Amino acid sequence: NAGVTQTPKFQVLKTGQSMTLQCAQDMNHEYMSWYRQDPGMGLRLIHYSVGAGITDQGEVPNGYNVSRSTTEDFPLRLLSAAPSQTSVYFCASSPTSAEPGELFFGEGSRLTVL
Amino acid sequence: AQKVTQAQTEISVVEKEDVTLDCVYETRDTTYYLFWYKQPPSGELVFLIRRNSFDEQNEISGRYSWNFQKSTSSFNFTITASQVVDSAVYFCALSGLSNFGNEKLTFGTGTRLTIIP
Repeated sequence: NAGVTQTPKFQVLKTGQSMTLQCAQDMNHEYMSWYRQDPGMGLRLIHYSVGAGITDQGEVPNGYNVSRSTTEDFPLRLLSAAPSQTSVYFCASSPTSAEPGELFFGEGSRLTVL
Repeated sequence: AQKVTQAQTEISVVEKEDVTLDCVYETRDTTYYLFWYKQPPSGELVFLIRRNSFDEQNEISGRYSWNFQKSTSSFNFTITASQVVDSAVYFCALSGLSNFGNEKLTFGTGTRLTIIP
């Protein structure tokens, strides 16, 4: 029972480098999202998707791109990493329904930008 | 705009003591949902409870109980007879009517709970 799988779990980047955080879920959930967790700030929504081909911005989208070509995958791209993007990133999914339900989270990806 | 405030940054209690984690929220929506999530030291986030704005009944699940009071915009979480395994960061979260169908949650900053054996 894989659930939500994030890779890599740890990554160190230099300023200006690009990378993609991968997120895959095997629960056929329509809704997927990316959050970042920073000390003293809780979790903040970066981008989300309500289904394949549909994405939208969350609270802190600058510096990040997403795409949703399949129901299963929702990668997060950093085009030019900055030290301010040092954080722990969580991918989450949920079945879309009439009421907001439980979010299923991945184990997190810790990113350090030097 | 929505806001969730968890004023307690860190709490430490001795094992078997009861502890209450506070959560105060702000929303203009008349229909909304409140959540609690647990983040143990291993890092993953685990769903604990969801409560909608029309249901003010307190809920109890084993040693856990939740007190929802619309009059004070609070959704507090109490752990009875705490155990070391309860040590974690606990997040309160809110989803308003405008977010239904896309599960956009606004999280509080979390309360780190340490249970001392």
